[in-house]
Amino acid sequence: QTVVTQEPSLSVSPRGTVTITCGLSSGSVSTNHYASWYQQTPGQAPRTLIYSTNTRSSGVPDRFSGSILGNKAALTITGAQADDESDYYCLLYVGGGITVFGGGTKLTVL
Amino acid sequence: EVQLVESGGGLVKPGGSLRLSCASSGFTFSLYSMNWVRLAPGKGLEWVASIDGSASYIYYADSVKGRFTISRDNAKNALFLQMDSLRAEDTAVYFCAREYRYSYGFDAWGQGALVTVSS
Repeated sequence: QTVVTQEPSLSVSPRGTVTITCGLSSGSVSTNHYASWYQQTPGQAPRTLIYSTNTRSSGVPDRFSGSILGNKAALTITGAQADDESDYYCLLYVGGGITVFGGGTKLTVL
Repeated sequence: EVQLVESGGGLVKPGGSLRLSCASSGFTFSLYSMNWVRLAPGKGLEWVASIDGSASYIYYADSVKGRFTISRDNAKNALFLQMDSLRAEDTAVYFCAREYRYSYGFDAWGQGALVTVSS
């Protein structure tokens, strides 16, 4: 069974930069995994931030960016704002029509 | 404007069944693969099932395989999830999500439907 890993929690200072990573329990993440990233706020539907590793979804500010860092997918937030405090999830396509979410990262802005 | 609206959630006893619906508008429904994603209390997002535009390719997470059935009615622009043999661990908010046409991942979401499995 494929496990997608993320940091359980991270913190960032206002106006700071933070990177959330998304790895595989076995193997490296590449562009063939079509990584996408979502912001989840309690009581709301997820908001799509990034798809196909590094393409911003419509209306997402450019302080959110996606990339491959080493053997993981990564979401970087530059110039963090208070309302960026949320849960963030990556999603990877692992083949055979199956996609798997990471466990989520709780981001605190303080 | 793309809209996805789930309905059919509620309280059901363990072992029971429930059918979720997702009404879509604002796009050509038959051209898109559609998915169900859930968020259990205190847990993370979990992909549940997907179905392509013609219902030719259907996939399930191992956790629901054999118990849940995804289907669609392109004439009515509707997506469904038939949930049988429900367990307490199926308690979650279930989201209907549209898949990108030329990539993986989801570009539109419904507001969610709460399913509670409890005696």
